Amino acid sequence: KAGVTQTPRYLIKTRGQQVTLSCSPISGHRSVSWYQQTPGQGLQFLFEYFSETQRNKGNFPGRFSGRQFSNSRSEMNVSTLELGDSALYLCASSLEPSGKNYNEQFFGPGTRLTVL
Amino acid sequence: TQLLEQSPQFLSIQEGENLTVYCNSSSVFSSLQWYRQEPGEGPVLLVTVVTGGEVKKLKRLTFQFGDARKDSSLHITAAQPGDTGLYLCAGALDSGYALNFGKGTSLLVTP
Repeated sequence: KAGVTQTPRYLIKTRGQQVTLSCSPISGHRSVSWYQQTPGQGLQFLFEYFSETQRNKGNFPGRFSGRQFSNSRSEMNVSTLELGDSALYLCASSLEPSGKNYNEQFFGPGTRLTVL
Repeated sequence: TQLLEQSPQFLSIQEGENLTVYCNSSSVFSSLQWYRQEPGEGPVLLVTVVTGGEVKKLKRLTFQFGDARKDSSLHITAAQPGDTGLYLCAGALDSGYALNFGKGTSLLVTP
């Protein structure tokens, strides 16, 4: 069974631009969560989608948004990029939403975003 | 605010040594997970512990969940270079919200 895939793997943008990242979960998984990972803050939760609905949202500004499609694939968008948005963005999928099945998540390799 | 504090932050040891990594919180978790992340990759789930006092073994790795479900530890026996990586603990609060991650322990095992 194929794992979680994320595209693109690497991305370079300049301040003020916007970016869209894509995540395809493991087949059969309906929950997708997004995380931002930086050396200083570690892994921080962005949001979680289940059956095309946002279930949870972390403490990030409104420039960060996401959506989930009927096939469970998910995208996240960051508008008006800032230097501090440079990070590894990780997507994780699970069979059920958070709070069930001990929320065992399977991570993709991430998208490395660099903002210049 | 970091709900889960991991220590030590960095650890460099020689092959064959034993080590313990700690994950502590003042909050109670319904479950706690340990992940290992290698450079350029996403975290990979090692184990989930759900019962206070639970001990799970995975070959040379021993995971323990505290009785009060506020802390956990990971013990590696006879470390090998292949154990090198970032070890992350993550907990789900009783309220069922998303996982909260610690900042991780970066382990380097040299031959």
